[in-house]
Amino acid sequence: GQNIDQPTEMTATEGAIVQINCTYQTSGFNGLFWYQQHAGEAPTFLSYNVLDGLEEKGRFSSFLSRSKGYSDLLLKELQMKDSASYLCAVMDSNYQLIWGAGTKLIIKP
Amino acid sequence: NAGVTQTPKFRILKIGQSMTLQCTQDMNHNYMYWYRQDPGMGLKLIYYSVGAGITDKGEVPNGYNVSRSTTEDFPLRLELAAPSQTSVYFCASSYGTSGNEQFFGPGTRLTVL
Repeated sequence: GQNIDQPTEMTATEGAIVQINCTYQTSGFNGLFWYQQHAGEAPTFLSYNVLDGLEEKGRFSSFLSRSKGYSDLLLKELQMKDSASYLCAVMDSNYQLIWGAGTKLIIKP
Repeated sequence: NAGVTQTPKFRILKIGQSMTLQCTQDMNHNYMYWYRQDPGMGLKLIYYSVGAGITDKGEVPNGYNVSRSTTEDFPLRLELAAPSQTSVYFCASSYGTSGNEQFFGPGTRLTVL
């Protein structure tokens, strides 16, 4: 079967750095996506990795290791508005997204 | 550009009733998707379309139907609503597949009682 695992919840302090892990087992791999979802809202795209290594986008960066089957989303200089759920999704061999349940990130002042 | 729009935002149905969830995108995307999101679970793909006139089943299609008569519109039909269909429904669209982000509508929160 196909499986995406993420921690259910994480807590971090404003101004700090947090790393959210996503491990996956899927039938095929055509890229990994990270989305942000604020409570009651739609998911919005954060990052995409298809090759091993780091993709950086401002305060957000994402690392992929295909051989070990995981990705880490790194958020720096945390702000209160970063309180949200972070969804990991892998595109499988049928080019369909398989989604993790999401990690709820709580930012404390 | 409005992006992806969905109506209604909220709906309560009685068991056995039917309804259509509307989805429209103005980005000229070929690919459109319907997902449901249940608490504590990942998004599940219900149906998708790769272009006007073409639709295909996703992971959880039972109890739903779709049509794609135009590039812009992708309505989702619920026949004989059941409590198990209580969920938040998201429509999304993308230009392509690999490497292309999906743009999501605001969602429809459906309760079946």
